[in-house]
Amino acid sequence: GQSLEQPSEVTAVEGAIVQINCTYQTSGFYGLSWYQQHDGGAPTFLSYNGLDGLEETGRFSSFLSRSDSYGYLLLQELQMKDSASYFCAVRGSRDDKIIFGKGTRLHILP
Amino acid sequence: DSGVTQTPKHLITATGQRVTLRCSPRSGDLSVYWYQQSLDQGLQFLIHYYNGEERAKGNILERFSAQQFPDLHSELNLSSLELGDSALYFCATDQDGGLGNEQFFGPGTRLTVL
Repeated sequence: GQSLEQPSEVTAVEGAIVQINCTYQTSGFYGLSWYQQHDGGAPTFLSYNGLDGLEETGRFSSFLSRSDSYGYLLLQELQMKDSASYFCAVRGSRDDKIIFGKGTRLHILP
Repeated sequence: DSGVTQTPKHLITATGQRVTLRCSPRSGDLSVYWYQQSLDQGLQFLIHYYNGEERAKGNILERFSAQQFPDLHSELNLSSLELGDSALYFCATDQDGGLGNEQFFGPGTRLTVL
């Protein structure tokens, strides 16, 4: 089967850096996406890695290594507003099905 | 505000009933995706439509069906409702179903089945 594994919770301090990992078991996919969801809100797109390597967008970076079946989201200079759940997602290359991880809840301490 | 609208915002109904959830995409978006999010669960992909045609199907129950109309709005029909169908239902849209596209999510419809 296809699955994405993420830690359920991560805690970090305001101003610090945190990495949220996503490991996957899938027979083939097009790329790895990341979404942020605040409590009571809708998911919002953060980044997409179609190729291996690092993508940087402001304070957020995302990385993909297909050979290691692994990706991560890196958040720098953490702010209290970054407290949210973060989801990784892939689209299967055989069936176009979209699979989301169960999400990582990020707690930020002042 | 993503520009994607969903109605209704909240829906309370009884087991065995049927409901219809509606999604209007952003102007110019041809693709609509439906997701279910239960308490403490991630997003479960249900179905994807592109320009009126079904593109991909996820773990959508047979009691559920969807369609996309010529004006590109989409409806998700849920029938013979069970308690376990209580969840947040999101639709998301993007321009053309492209692989790395940013999907824009609507605010969701919270369904409560009593």
